[in-house]
Amino acid sequence: KAGVTQTPRYLIKTRGQQVTLSCSPISGHRSVSWYQQTPGQGLQFLFEYFSETQRNKGNFPGRFSGRQFSNSRSEMNVSTLELGDSALYLCASSLAGTEKLFFGSGTQLSVL
Amino acid sequence: DQQVKQNSPSLSVQEGRISILNCDYTNSMFDYFLWYKKYPAEGPTFLISISSIKDKNEDGRFTVFLNKSAKHLSLHIVPSQPGDSAVYFCAASEWSTLTFGKGTMLLVSP
Repeated sequence: KAGVTQTPRYLIKTRGQQVTLSCSPISGHRSVSWYQQTPGQGLQFLFEYFSETQRNKGNFPGRFSGRQFSNSRSEMNVSTLELGDSALYLCASSLAGTEKLFFGSGTQLSVL
Repeated sequence: DQQVKQNSPSLSVQEGRISILNCDYTNSMFDYFLWYKKYPAEGPTFLISISSIKDKNEDGRFTVFLNKSAKHLSLHIVPSQPGDSAVYFCAASEWSTLTFGKGTMLLVSP
């Protein structure tokens, strides 16, 4: 069974640009969550999607958005990039109603 | 305000000895707790979990203890192996949303 797939693995952008990250969950998993990892801050919850609906949202500005498609694949978008957005963005999928998350390898975003 | 705290950024242990990683939480609504392990350039992988109705869960070399009155959980690794060297994240769940601590880097030396 394939794991969670995130693309691209690395991204370099400049301030003010926007970026879209992609996540394909494990087959059969309908819940997809996104986390931001920065040095010293651990993993911070961005949002969770289930059946194409955002079910929960973390404390991030509106520049961070996401969506989920009917095949459970998810994308997150960050607009008007800032230097502080440089981080590892992790996607995780899970079976509905369970807390056990399966993570992808992440997308390392560098904002210059 | 951090709801899940891992107060030790790092821990060094010799191979064969016990590693004890600690985690404190403040939200009494958390009902499920998990430990994840993370190697560089990889996503976190699930290690072990415990429900709030239990005080101990064991899986091979890994044991998680939960003290609800103290809002404290710990992960014991016995015996520690060099391959256990990684960052360990504690996570707590409320309504299936996980809140993570900042992680503890464990280094197991031969």
